[in-house]
Amino acid sequence: AQTVTQSQPEMSVQEAETVTLSCTYDTSENNYYLFWYKQPPSRQMILVIRQEAYKQQNATENRFSVNFQKAAKSFSLKISDSQLGDTAMYFCAFLSNFGNEKLTFGTGTRLTIIP
Amino acid sequence: EAQVTQNPRYLITVTGKKLTVTCSQNMNHEYMSWYRQDPGLGLRQIYYSMNVEVTDKGDVPEGYKVSRKEKRNFPLILESPSPNQTSLYFCASSSPGLAGRGIQYFGAGTRLSVL
Repeated sequence: AQTVTQSQPEMSVQEAETVTLSCTYDTSENNYYLFWYKQPPSRQMILVIRQEAYKQQNATENRFSVNFQKAAKSFSLKISDSQLGDTAMYFCAFLSNFGNEKLTFGTGTRLTIIP
Repeated sequence: EAQVTQNPRYLITVTGKKLTVTCSQNMNHEYMSWYRQDPGLGLRQIYYSMNVEVTDKGDVPEGYKVSRKEKRNFPLILESPSPNQTSLYFCASSSPGLAGRGIQYFGAGTRLSVL
């Protein structure tokens, strides 16, 4: 079974700074998908970014980018020019290329952006 | 507007009193799933459905039932709720074609307290 580990329960950073959230995972598969989901205080789960394991290029979405290290099974999220609206819980998630579309989530990192 | 609608948003009940949390999506998605979110554990899958009349257990199915009689609806049923089912529940849907794998749309969540 796959596991996803987020070792930083909480982080805080000053507004406009850059912050990196860590995620490692364990799998024996070669093709899979990785995600970062954001959960703001409203509780709504929002997809931030998606990475396909067969793509070597790191995914980017505006101020959000990932550092995908397949051999190390590491998938960190970098938020540049952080904004107050980035304050949220961030979950790393794994999706197998086989099976039922089940996302395996990490335990989350609570990020606070300080004005 | 594409959305997944859960009701109710908040529910307080007593042990043993049957309840249903409804979930409806308007995107014609084949796949629907229920997750529960608990502090320190992230989100865990309860049940999922690949299409109408096709449902199966996720990682934590004990004490829950589901049905999928129509494509748009996927209710979660707690026949005899217990305090350990106090949690935040999310319904999610997706269309698992290659381009959309893992891109799940989440409802706003249902906060359930069982006394």
